[in-house]
Amino acid sequence: GDSVTQMEGPVTLSEEAFLTINCTYTATGYPSLFWYVQYPGEGLQLLLKATKADDKGSNKGFEATYRKETTSFHLEKGSVQVSDSAVYFCALSGRGDDKIIFGKGTRLHILP
Amino acid sequence: GAVVSQHPSRVICKSGTSVKIECRSLDFQATTMFWYRQFPKKSLMLMATSNEGSKATYEQGVEKDKFLINHASLTLSTLTVTSAHPEDSSFYICSATRTSTDTQYFGPGTRLTVL
Repeated sequence: GDSVTQMEGPVTLSEEAFLTINCTYTATGYPSLFWYVQYPGEGLQLLLKATKADDKGSNKGFEATYRKETTSFHLEKGSVQVSDSAVYFCALSGRGDDKIIFGKGTRLHILP
Repeated sequence: GAVVSQHPSRVICKSGTSVKIECRSLDFQATTMFWYRQFPKKSLMLMATSNEGSKATYEQGVEKDKFLINHASLTLSTLTVTSAHPEDSSFYICSATRTSTDTQYFGPGTRLTVL
């Protein structure tokens, strides 16, 4: 079945460092891909998404490119801030399917 | 817009009792609501999908008699954990969509602790 694998955390970086959180997926067909963020004490929020190959999703300085050839959707940010500390979930949704399959989440700590 | 609330945010109950968790879409009508369970250091696991006015569809391995879901209106879905046991302790999260192809908007979650 469809699945999402993302790098284990926690990831600890200093403020202004470059961030990459790896995500790969297994799916039949052409799924939509998502990154969700969960700030402490809050619910999940959609951070960005991409619906077809080579699409780049971006929001709040974060970017991820849908790479079909490597079945990846890595999350990147050029300069992280303390306020980016949260848990990040990579996820996919199959075509014509409203179910979302999540990765295990990666906790990110940004040190001032 | 697209705010989803859950109530309560935390609940502690004794083993054997039932607990009801509410999920509300505050500023939109949700034709579909989803219930997830989040285990520590693990992913969110979809428990069931509910459409307003019809029976919920449960994922494989989820006991429908234990986790009762009612989607009585376009703005409210409830999850009742019946005869709760300590292993039911978890973080329960709901989400809602306007249509089946719309983005899911997530609630803040409910932490259930069964003593």
